Amino acid sequence: QKEVEQNSGPLSVPEGAIASLNCTYSDRGSQSFFWYRQYSGKSPELIMFIYSNGDKEDGRFTAQLNKASQYVSLLIRDSQPSDSATYLCAENTGGFKTIFGAGTRLFVKA
Amino acid sequence: ETGVTQTPRHLVMGMTNKKSLKCEQHLGHNAMYWYKQSAKKPLELMFVYSLEERVENNSVPSRFSPECPNSSHLFLHLHTLQPEDSALYLCASSQVGLAGGRGNEQFFGPGTRLTVL
Repeated sequence: QKEVEQNSGPLSVPEGAIASLNCTYSDRGSQSFFWYRQYSGKSPELIMFIYSNGDKEDGRFTAQLNKASQYVSLLIRDSQPSDSATYLCAENTGGFKTIFGAGTRLFVKA
Repeated sequence: ETGVTQTPRHLVMGMTNKKSLKCEQHLGHNAMYWYKQSAKKPLELMFVYSLEERVENNSVPSRFSPECPNSSHLFLHLHTLQPEDSALYLCASSQVGLAGGRGNEQFFGPGTRLTVL
């Protein structure tokens, strides 16, 4: 059974701090990894994707992928209260099926 | 319209009703998906269509019936649902088949909040 594991949280960080969200996956064949943000009552919104080992930066977001250790992480710098949401990690092995984690709830305290 | 749209946004139905959910994608993608999201559970993939052909059916009860008339439209027909089917139903689309697994990012519609009485 292919799985994506995330700590459900909640993760609480003060405004301006770095939020670190982690995810592990079981399928060594996974090729693509995604981070989605989901506000309460809304649908998931894609914020980052990464295919290669290493870091990928986009504004305040950095995705990190380590295929040898099978983990992917998301760093949010200068966290804002508006970043408070559930963050979903997902992986895809190149086909139609994307496996989603259950999500980590993040609270950014003003 | 841009992205992925879904209608209706909210639906309340009795167990004997028949209703349909509609999804439309304006992204030129070749794959469309139905997901169910219940409270505190991961997204559950229900159906996948690629170029109007169903390529995935995740043991979904027959009271859910998908239809994909073309690559931009996807329906989910509902009949004789149960209260446990109450959830957020999400449609998504993606472009599948790019080299190295690139692409495959799924873009979601706003969802239909379904309540079965």
